[in-house]
Formats: sequence, C-alpha cells, structure tokens
Amino acid sequence: EVRLVESGGGLVQPGGSLRLSCGASGFKFDDYAMHWVRQGPGQGLEWVSGINWNSDRIVYADSVKGRFAVSRDNAKNSLYLQMDNLRPEDAALYYCVKEAVIRVYATQFDDWGQGTPVAVSS
Amino acid sequence: SYELTQPPSVSVSPGQTARITCSGDKLVEKYTSWYQQKPGQAPVMVIFQDMRRPSGIPERFSGSNSGNTATLTISGTQGMDEADYYCQAWDSTACVFGTGTKVTVL
Repeated sequence: EVRLVESGGGLVQPGGSLRLSCGASGFKFDDYAMHWVRQGPGQGLEWVSGINWNSDRIVYADSVKGRFAVSRDNAKNSLYLQMDNLRPEDAALYYCVKEAVIRVYATQFDDWGQGTPVAVSS
Repeated sequence: SYELTQPPSVSVSPGQTARITCSGDKLVEKYTSWYQQKPGQAPVMVIFQDMRRPSGIPERFSGSNSGNTATLTISGTQGMDEADYYCQAWDSTACVFGTGTKVTVL
C-alpha cells in the first residue's frame, strides 16, 4: 500500500521560511516523479512544483518561482519543499503527490498524502 | 498561462446523469484527468487519459474530450458522489488544475 506522509507545516510570519517533508513507502520511490500541490482555505487545487525521479527535471509554478525549492532524497524515500519569503497567500494545505507512471513526467496523480497545513500570519 | 475553466456548481437528482465540463484552449490535444474531493479528504483520481478509469472507480464515471472541452459524466448519480471535482491537464511541464465544480445531489 502506497503511503505518503507530509510533515513540517505550521505557523510562520510573512517573510519567514518553512521546510516541508514527505515520507514515502509502499512503492519504489526512485522510479516516480513527485509533486507538491496546495489548497488554500475554501479554495481549489493549485500545483506548486514537480521533480522527476532522478531530480534532473524540476519545475515550479510562477507563483512560487524563486521562493520555493523542491528536492528529494531517494536513499531516504523522501521529498522536500523549502519555502522561503513566505506570503499570506501561500497559506494552504500542502499535499505530497505521486505520479502514476514509472519514469514518466507529466501523466496523472494516483496517490496523495493527507497534507500538512501552512499558515502565514503576523 | 494555460487555464482550465469549470462551472462552479452542478446539481443532479439521485439516479440522474451529471455532466461536468472543463474548458481550455485546444484541450483535445492534451490528456485530461479528473479528481474527486470530498470534504476533509485528499483528492482521488476518477478518470485519466480523458476516459480511462482507475481500478476501483465505479463504471458510472466516464470521460470524454473533444475540441476545447473535456467532460466528466456521472451516470446514475448516487449520494456518495456529492463532492468537488477538478479537471487537470499539462501545459508542457507545468500542471494545471481546473477551477473546480461542486456537485450537489439533491
């Protein structure tokens, strides 16, 4: 059974930083692209960033480019999102998401974590 | 940037057919996936590659894609289908989600 468990969320002041983590199990982590998707309170889904299986393709949404950095450690079956210069509009539930197809980027998302909440307020 | 537009809400009576549209420029040239999200839960994929159903998804869920519009159809809608639904496609390497549709089963 695939499990994706996010952690690291919390309350941070505007301009502050947070590092989210996602621990993966139940599948061969280093064979799949992974993504972060967020959902603001009462809002829709917004894709944040994607990274392919060997980290040689990393893509960001325009809204976070230059402030967020995605990375992965395949030896630890873990995905990360370093978030700097946070803004109130970054407040959301952040989901760790797995692509469905082995070693292909940009397919569909077959497994989601339960999310970790990020609040940005002074 | 690429945009996908959905109606904010769709209402359907139990046992009837619900159709949710997703509009985007030349959407037929891209694969569309659909996700169901119930309150307090993570999204679940119900359709991928325009019309394919993942294992475990009931046959009443179907999809199509033509021109600028993809459509998710729920036939014989049940109360458990009441949820938010999001379409999703790729603009090159960037993922795009639709604006979301709340399906209410009256």
